[in-house]
Amino acid sequence: GIQVEQSPPDLILQEGANSTLRCNFSDSVNNLQWFHQNPWGQLINLFYIPSGTKQNGRLSATTVATERYSLLYISSSQTTDSGVYFCAGRGYNFNKFYFGSGTKLNVKP
Amino acid sequence: DARVTQTPRHKVTEMGQEVTMRCQPILGHNTVFWYRQTMMQGLELLAYFRNRAPLDDSGMPKDRFSAEMPDATLATLKIQPSEPRDSAVYFCASGLENTEAFFGQGTRLTVV
Repeated sequence: GIQVEQSPPDLILQEGANSTLRCNFSDSVNNLQWFHQNPWGQLINLFYIPSGTKQNGRLSATTVATERYSLLYISSSQTTDSGVYFCAGRGYNFNKFYFGSGTKLNVKP
Repeated sequence: DARVTQTPRHKVTEMGQEVTMRCQPILGHNTVFWYRQTMMQGLELLAYFRNRAPLDDSGMPKDRFSAEMPDATLATLKIQPSEPRDSAVYFCASGLENTEAFFGQGTRLTVV
């Protein structure tokens, strides 16, 4: 299967700080997505970004498909950004969804 | 407001009992995934359906787990008999091929 490596595994930020989360894939994937798992356990869709750059408020994401990585940028972090951020991509064979182990973010007031 | 609906949200059962979890995918979606999340293993793919046909259930313990899609609006995951090590949050997700997938709120299973 495809290996998905996320970094850093843990991140502590002061409110207002910026951060970059990274996701590397061992093989080409399509349908790359970023999710936020909030403290209640819900998996919230952040971005569907097979390639290119997208922005949504304070969050933006960039995927460089040819180099098999994606970045998630969080600017002016808020305490509500705390939780675990996952990236996931589907392999070209059978479309299985491969998840990274997540980045656990704690934003302190 | 289209969403993936999972029932029950919480389930506590005794070891040895049968557990059935249900998922209603978003109308029109033709792919359904079942995932299990634990602290130790993270998100593990248990089963994957496309057009109601199982494409991959290699992540599922075959002796006690079974997954089916009796129709396009219902996916089920059964555990029989349940064991304490099955305690986890079980997520269902649906999507169209080659597009965004959406997750349900999960079923938190506790086997005592």
